[in-house]
Formats: sequence, structure tokens, C-alpha cells
Amino acid sequence: SAVISQKPSRDICQRGTSLTIQCQVDSQVTMMFWYRQQPGQSLTLIATANQGSEATYESGFVIDKFPISRPNLTFSTLTVSNMSPEDSSIYLCSVDGTPRADTQYFGPGTRLTVL
Amino acid sequence: KQEVTQIPAALSVPEGENLVLNCSFTDSAIYNLQWFRQDPGKGLTSLLLIQSSQREQTSGRLNASLDKSSGRSTLYIAASQPGDSATYLCAVRFSGSARQLTFGSGTQLTVLP
Repeated sequence: SAVISQKPSRDICQRGTSLTIQCQVDSQVTMMFWYRQQPGQSLTLIATANQGSEATYESGFVIDKFPISRPNLTFSTLTVSNMSPEDSSIYLCSVDGTPRADTQYFGPGTRLTVL
Repeated sequence: KQEVTQIPAALSVPEGENLVLNCSFTDSAIYNLQWFRQDPGKGLTSLLLIQSSQREQTSGRLNASLDKSSGRSTLYIAASQPGDSATYLCAVRFSGSARQLTFGSGTQLTVLP
């Protein structure tokens, strides 16, 4: 299975600031996904990030608020911009697994609290 | 709209009991279904993956079934242990969904010693 790490594991931020979350995978993967899990809720897909192309955002999520980078096949970043308390969530990155591409594997998540 | 629903939202059982968690989905055109476990404040651990052509998958004390025509999946946990306490999430990859998963809201399981 793919081993995924995320930084930071948690952070407490002030309203109006931005935070960049890093996701590192131990193998090359084509597609990486960013999810948000609001308190007490399930996971919602923010965007899909392919290397060499712009991320594809789901309905309700925009690039200005959640810019994503995907500079290579093992790394991606998600920035939460101009944060408000409503952005307090766990943010998780995931990848299609290796060797089983059908299985999706998740990072440990970044717990964000916005004051 | 493609949706995934899990019932019950929470379940508490005494240690040693066998239990069943339910998952339903609105569109039978699925590629696969995956069950995850999430411990408090943590990421997700993949438990079982069932392809659309399969009826069930087993791993240790876990057995997941899939009935595509009725839009249902169950996760059976045998001889439950306190260490099984976690939130269990069902996620569906619908056909044509470009590989992303649609998640249910989860079942929070507590196994009492």
C-alpha cells in the first residue's frame, strides 16, 4: 500500500490568514485527491490533482480559496486561503493505491482550527 | 444525485457480539465500494474493497457484502473487541466518477468491555 504523510498534522490559525498543507507519497501516483471533513461530518472531495495540469474542483470549491499545486508525481500542496472559522476541519489527501489502483489510501490528515 | 447513506449513525455493543453495519447507495452503476475505519482525530484505514462484479470480501473477522441491484452493502464484524471501536465509513466509486469516492456519513461503533 502507498504510505502517505501530511504536514502539518494540526494547526491553529487566525482568521484571515492562509495555511499550506503538504502531502507526500512514497511512490509515484497519477492522481491525488484532497478531501475535507468538517466536525462531525463525513468526507467531501475538494479537488483532484494531476501532475502537469490544473486541479479539477468539485462544486462548491474554488481555486481562489483552495489553490492546489502538484509539481511532481509524489507531492502536492493544498492552501486554505483567507481562513474563517468555517474552514475548521480535517483535511486529508489520498491516492489510488499501488499495486491495487482500485484501492484508495489516505494520509493521516491535517486538523485545522481557525479562531 | 449519487448519494451514500449509512445506518445506524451510532452503535454500542458488548464485547464478543457479532454486528452488522449497513451502507446504501442511490445508483447501482458503481465501479467498486470500499469500507474504511477512522479512529478519533485520525486519517482513514482501508479495510475492504469490493469490486462491482464481486459479492463479498473477507479479511480476518471482517466480511463485506455487496448487492448492487438493491444498492446495499454490509460490513459484518465477528466477535467484536474494544479495539474495534471507531467510526466506519462506506465509500462508493460510481461509474464515470473519475475515480473519486463518495462517502457515507459513517457509523460510530463502541464495543464495551
